[in-house]
Amino acid sequence: GESVGLHLPTLSVQEGDNSIINCAYSNSASDYFIWYKQESGKGPQFIIDIRSNMDKRQGQRVTVLLNKTVKHLSLQIAATQPGDSAVYFCAENMNRDDKIIFGKGTRLHILP
Amino acid sequence: NAGVTQTPKFQVLKTGQSMTLQCAQDMNHEYMSWYRQDPGMGLRLIHYSVGAGITDQGEVPNGYNVSRSTTEDFPLRLLSAAPSQTSVYFCASSYGTVYEQYFGPGTRLTVT
Repeated sequence: GESVGLHLPTLSVQEGDNSIINCAYSNSASDYFIWYKQESGKGPQFIIDIRSNMDKRQGQRVTVLLNKTVKHLSLQIAATQPGDSAVYFCAENMNRDDKIIFGKGTRLHILP
Repeated sequence: NAGVTQTPKFQVLKTGQSMTLQCAQDMNHEYMSWYRQDPGMGLRLIHYSVGAGITDQGEVPNGYNVSRSTTEDFPLRLLSAAPSQTSVYFCASSYGTVYEQYFGPGTRLTVT
């Protein structure tokens, strides 16, 4: 993976607004994508996943969009709450490979 | 269920020492993996296993060994610790590659 040094990209969002976190994945052969949330001092926690035969998948307050043409994934969080404050990671997998590779994280900061 | 457990939570080693980080899961998951996370960065895959008796290398396997003699346990061995191995180590498990991974709480390792 690429290094972002000591500073993660940060997204600051007003409480109650929608958040959009973006991820550019590297391998055009990847066919399974996952979003994880990592709170401070804890291990990552699964949020939502999507397979390459889909463009969109919705969960509770979250939506993942997949654009295979430009190798781009996004996570939309509706009505952002203080508890959404965390680092968010996307991860990818190729069907013929058993490795799950994580991308750069984005820190979501909620403004009161 | 305890989920994924990791021991120890914290460890300080001197350069050249060896140690084993323990990981266990009680969910009967076939897939287990080890990641390291350096400050402000994403997770990098060290080794993974798709079932008992089967292990394979991830992105950054050098300096680490693993074995998978049972479904439940997946220990990570540091052969000769180096300061570059200072990191937080996460173990994860899942039913398979394309299923959500459950992460342990992590082991914070410092090598002096």
